[in-house]
Amino acid sequence: AAGVIQSPRHLIKEKRETATLKCYPIPRHDTVYWYQQGPGQDPQFLISFYEKMQSDKGSIPDRFSAQQFSDYHSELNMSSLELGDSALYFCASSTRGDLSNQPQHFGDGTRLSIL
Amino acid sequence: AQTVTQSQPEMSVQEAETVTLSCTYDTSESNYYLFWYKQPPSRQMILVIRQEAYKQQNATENRFSVNFQKAAKSFSLKISDSQLGDTAMYFCAFMKQDDSNYQLIWGAGTKLIIKP
Repeated sequence: AAGVIQSPRHLIKEKRETATLKCYPIPRHDTVYWYQQGPGQDPQFLISFYEKMQSDKGSIPDRFSAQQFSDYHSELNMSSLELGDSALYFCASSTRGDLSNQPQHFGDGTRLSIL
Repeated sequence: AQTVTQSQPEMSVQEAETVTLSCTYDTSESNYYLFWYKQPPSRQMILVIRQEAYKQQNATENRFSVNFQKAAKSFSLKISDSQLGDTAMYFCAFMKQDDSNYQLIWGAGTKLIIKP
């Protein structure tokens, strides 16, 4: 079965650079979530989108922005990268209208390392 | 606000033993979902089991079962006949049931080590 696809799997950047992470949800899923998981930490919710509109906002820094496109894929744009941004970034998708289809299905994550 | 607490940072058992991971949560909601996710060293996030709060029957998935005590706001995970591949971080998560969003609230995780 198709799963949530995230790209790239690994990304290495330097401080003050920018990065773009991509997420392709499971087909027919209308909701996308982004989570950040630091080393040894539990995942922290960043932001979510439903039908291409932002639906909820968590602990996402102002340096980050995200959007969901017409094909439902989502991109997380990160600017002025800091050492503390080094983390595993998960994307998850679900169909909001179908509670029996919860929970969110997770991608394998993008490991971002800031040098 | 909802919170999820996992009081066991790390546990270790012998292969084939049974182990129980604890999870408590705090919420004023009456309808919600609870989940256990497994995160192996590969760091994938894998759903282990889910429980709807309105269901009294405890969820079971093969060797994994839960003890859901709604009044006590407790949601423990029991792993029977543990296997080396069960070694992972286990996260308990809460999700409220409404139309606005389905954000997961996570516990801090329990590191489970299965010893040969």
